[in-house]
Amino acid sequence: AQSVTQPDIHITVSEGASLELRCNYSYGATPYLFWYVQSPGQGLQLLLKYFSGDTLVQGIKGFEAEFKRSQSSFNLRKPSVHWSDAAEYFCAAHYGSSNTGKLIFGQGTTLQVKP
Amino acid sequence: DAGVTQSPTHLIKTRGQHVTLRCSPISGHKSVSWYQQVLGQGPQFIFQYYEKEERGRGNFPDRFSARQFPNYSSELNVNALLLGDSALYLCASSLRDRAPNQPQHFGDGTRLSIL
Repeated sequence: AQSVTQPDIHITVSEGASLELRCNYSYGATPYLFWYVQSPGQGLQLLLKYFSGDTLVQGIKGFEAEFKRSQSSFNLRKPSVHWSDAAEYFCAAHYGSSNTGKLIFGQGTTLQVKP
Repeated sequence: DAGVTQSPTHLIKTRGQHVTLRCSPISGHKSVSWYQQVLGQGPQFIFQYYEKEERGRGNFPDRFSARQFPNYSSELNVNALLLGDSALYLCASSLRDRAPNQPQHFGDGTRLSIL
């Protein structure tokens, strides 16, 4: 079945430290991949997307993600975390076999930033 | 430009009641999708509408229904509410129905609480 897995439910990092959030998608045709961020009480904001081509994609707020086909992964990274980055992060996939715009989301990773 | 707007922001209902949630897409967007986000989980796809026609349905019971109006706004209806329907309901709009290279933009959601 098509699925997205975020192995880490909760991550805590110190402000200024680097960050990597993991995401794995189910094996098969490469889906279109997305990272969204959700602040408390708000909707989802798109950070970045991968469709094809360069496997390292740049997004907003200093985030980047690397697609690795061999590992079925699309991990999100940031070199230096700011306190305002504390939020819930969701990896999502759209599979080309779908006849709809349906996104499949991972469970989410809560990021806590220590001062 | 206005983003995706949803109303109401919060709603409290009791078991067995009916609820209607509303969504206005970004101007020019013709596709609207609905997602349910239970606390601590990622969003789950409920429906997609494009040009007033249902284009996709997730694994939700028939108590859930939706429609899209000529101005592309949409309503999500839930009948015979259960405690398990308590969730954040997110609406997302995009230009087209099956073009993942045109990402979905999310509203801030309606928080539905069932007592």
